[in-house]
Amino acid sequence: NAGVMQNPRHLVRRRGQEARLRCSPMKGHSHVYWYRQLPEEGLKFMVYLQKENIIDESGMPKERFSAEFPKEGPSILRIQQVVRGDSAAYFCASSPLALDSNQPQHFGDGTRLSIL
Amino acid sequence: GQQLNQSPQSMFIQEGEDVSMNCTSSSIFNTWLWYKQDPGEGPVLLIALYKAGELTSNGRLTAQFGITRKDSFLNISASIPSDVGIYFCAGQPRPGYSTLTFGKGTMLLVSP
Repeated sequence: NAGVMQNPRHLVRRRGQEARLRCSPMKGHSHVYWYRQLPEEGLKFMVYLQKENIIDESGMPKERFSAEFPKEGPSILRIQQVVRGDSAAYFCASSPLALDSNQPQHFGDGTRLSIL
Repeated sequence: GQQLNQSPQSMFIQEGEDVSMNCTSSSIFNTWLWYKQDPGEGPVLLIALYKAGELTSNGRLTAQFGITRKDSFLNISASIPSDVGIYFCAGQPRPGYSTLTFGKGTMLLVSP
């Protein structure tokens, strides 16, 4: 009965490199959400995906950030040409149905991204 | 955008004491959720509230969805050292809006 699995748990990148964060939702969950958490802050929504579709990307920066949730495999959050300000904890959550159906989101343990 | 004001920012209490924290918003929320986050881990859902006025318990935890739909509180009774962590409120701003808005958290420290 695995929960939401994120990897890697920690990722170190130099400025200008690419970061790829992976998220496997709970079994039976087809809705995935990505959030970013800065130190001593709450989580900020970035993007909401269903299989092969981006539903809401209103919280994601327009440049350098992209997300996908392919038919097979995990959801990927990709950050190109990373900068120091991208250092944060990135959390993925999943739900079986849309939040509107009274199905709360369950979170993974996050990926802590550090940019040197 | 929607904002949640969570208070207090931090609390330091003695084991056995009761704790209360709350979340307010200037606008209506459709759903209120309370999460706990331990260091290095993701938020874990404690209580979900779906109806205005709803009062729900989970062990020593009790949470209520304010009747105005603009606030929620979380109470922890008879605190124990493992209650230490950061507690976040989160809300769904309106039906059909599938993402959550989070408060900034209340850090709880419990002295044995």
